Amino acid sequence: AQKITQTQPGMFVQEKEAVTLDCTYDTSDPSYGLFWYKQPSSGEMIFLIYQGSYDQQNATEGRYSLNFQKARKSANLVISASQLGDSAMYFCAMRLNYGGSQGNLIFGKGTKLSVKP
Amino acid sequence: GAGVSQSPSNKVTEKGKDVELRCDPISGHTALYWYRQSLGQGLEFLIYFQGNSAPDKSGLPSDRFSAERTGGSVSTLTIQRTQQEDSAVYLCASSLVVTRTNTEAFFGQGTRLTVV
Repeated sequence: AQKITQTQPGMFVQEKEAVTLDCTYDTSDPSYGLFWYKQPSSGEMIFLIYQGSYDQQNATEGRYSLNFQKARKSANLVISASQLGDSAMYFCAMRLNYGGSQGNLIFGKGTKLSVKP
Repeated sequence: GAGVSQSPSNKVTEKGKDVELRCDPISGHTALYWYRQSLGQGLEFLIYFQGNSAPDKSGLPSDRFSAERTGGSVSTLTIQRTQQEDSAVYLCASSLVVTRTNTEAFFGQGTRLTVV
C-alpha cells in the first residue's frame, strides 16, 4: 500500500529565508502524482504544487518548488523568501494513477512551519 | 455552487447518538474523498468514491462508520453510536481523476464534530 512520510513535525524559518519541507513516499506503482497542500490556522486546505511521476522537470509555482528525486522516492517542498503568511501546516500527498484504488489520495502527517520575523 | 460544500459546519452531539455529515462535491467531479482530522493532526483517510466503482472503504475505523454517494454526486458520512474519540473535523474533497494529469482535490470547509 502507498505511504507518505513527513519526518519533520515542526520547522522554524527566518522571514525571507528559504526552507525545505521533507516528504518521502512509498509505492511500487510506476504512475503517480505528488501534491503539496497548505493548511493555515483557518483550516482551509490550499493546493500549492503538483509533480507527476513521469515529469522530467521539477515543478515550480511562484515561490514554491518541488525537489523531486524519483530514485530516492522523495518530493521535498522548497519555499523561497519565506513570508509571515507562510506559517501553516503543510501536507504532502500521493495519488496513484492505476490499480485497485486508482485516484485515491493519501496524505502524510504534516509539518508545522513557523516563520519568525 | 463553485466549491465543495459541507454541512453542517458544526455539530455537537451526545455520546451514543447517530450523526450524518453531508458533502456536496463540485459538479462533474467523479472522485470524492472523506478524511478525518483531529486537532493539530494529519488527515486520516476514511473512504474514497470514484465514479461507479466500488468505494475504497479501507480507512473506515470501525463498523460504526459508513458512507454513501447517491447518483454519483452528494455523499453522506454516517457515524452510529458516536463516541468521544469520534470528535474531529471531517473533511470532504472532490476531484476529477485523469491519469497523468494535474487534477488536484478541492476541499470543503469541513464539519467540526464534537461528541459530549
